[in-house]
Amino acid sequence: GQQVMQIPQYQHVQEGEDFTTYCNSSTTLSNIQWYKQRPGGHPVFLIQLVKSGEVKKQKRLTFQFGEAKKNSSLHITATQTTDVGTYFCAMEYGNKLVFGAGTILRVKS
Amino acid sequence: EAQVTQNPRYLITVTGKKLTVTCSQNMNHEYMSWYRQDPGLGLRQIYYSMNVEVTDKGDVPEGYKVSRKEKRNFPLILESPSPNQTSLYFCASSFSRLGTEAFFGQGTRLTVV
Repeated sequence: GQQVMQIPQYQHVQEGEDFTTYCNSSTTLSNIQWYKQRPGGHPVFLIQLVKSGEVKKQKRLTFQFGEAKKNSSLHITATQTTDVGTYFCAMEYGNKLVFGAGTILRVKS
Repeated sequence: EAQVTQNPRYLITVTGKKLTVTCSQNMNHEYMSWYRQDPGLGLRQIYYSMNVEVTDKGDVPEGYKVSRKEKRNFPLILESPSPNQTSLYFCASSFSRLGTEAFFGQGTRLTVV
């Protein structure tokens, strides 16, 4: 079956430090999505990447899609306390939307 | 306001007592799905529906049923709940099957004792 690996599982950073989470697929993807879930909340869509090598930015967040369309990363520059939560990648396999296990980000102020 | 509404938000029940978690969306979305979220396992898809009267199994369908009689509603049914179904459940909808963002409900925290 499809496999989605997301690392790290957990990261605790000092406010102002950078943060990166990575996702890898066992197969080539048509696209990849990223979601954020605040503590006690529900997942909220952040972005979708479609093209090989694509890079998109949202303020301090940078999203990358690998050249082979098998991996992706989310990088946050200079984290803030508002960045806390769990970040998920999601990949389409057939008719299913499959999520990674998520990376929990905690920020120390 | 565009939204996905789940009810109830919290539920404690006993083993074997049938229950239904409702999900409704007001965005005329075709694709709806149910996920369960467990620590360290992320969101795992239980069932999905590509349109009215079209449903299919996700990755963890055992012990669950769904129906899609109307486009807006997609209830999740646990015929005989067991403690291993204690979890946080999310309903989600999207405009179509591929390449569109998923909108999630607020979640249902289910405890089976």
